[in-house]
Amino acid sequence: GAVVSQHPSWVICKSGTSVKIECRSLDFQATTMFWYRQFPKQSLMLMATSNEGSKATYEQGVEKDKFLINHASLTLSTLTVTSAHPEDSSFYICSAYRDPTDTQYFGPGTRLTVL
Amino acid sequence: SQQGEEDPQALSIQEGENATMNCSYKTSINNLQWYRQNSGRGLVHLILIRSNEREKHSGRLRVTLDTSKKSSSLLITASRAADTASYFCATDGDGANNLFFGTGTRLTVIP
Repeated sequence: GAVVSQHPSWVICKSGTSVKIECRSLDFQATTMFWYRQFPKQSLMLMATSNEGSKATYEQGVEKDKFLINHASLTLSTLTVTSAHPEDSSFYICSAYRDPTDTQYFGPGTRLTVL
Repeated sequence: SQQGEEDPQALSIQEGENATMNCSYKTSINNLQWYRQNSGRGLVHLILIRSNEREKHSGRLRVTLDTSKKSSSLLITASRAADTASYFCATDGDGANNLFFGTGTRLTVIP
């Protein structure tokens, strides 16, 4: 089956630093990838849609200057949390959309802890 | 908001019993999907049902869809302790490739 990887699986950083999370579709090309975040005991919330070769589309309330998304190739999207703060601590999950199955394949997630 | 809602929020059953979770959504859809998430892990896709389908089976899973009521149910038969997880429904309500997730049902299967 389709596989999506994320790196790193977990990261701890100091407040004020930037953290980059990678999302890769390993065995298929994904023109569209999605970034979600999940707070403890809550549902996933869509942050942004990442489109290969164009700017990401952000959901309302998500700061585009804080959560930089780059989808430079058909198999890689990156999310950079800039100037991270403790409230950014969360579980970040990416997914890649595989056409024509109408199915999203999710990465294993990245646990970000900002001290 | 297009976010759906699952009911119940939490469900605890004995191993061997059936578990039923319900999902309601607000907009018209092309398809509805069910996902499973083990604690702290990524989502795993379980099953997709299209808007023109009423019922779908996959192993011990049975999904129904009632578009007139904007609701879906996930039935897990003969539950096992390994089924303990959170289950989410997701819809593509805006016609694009986005998914909008419900709040999830936390299922606990007691051995």
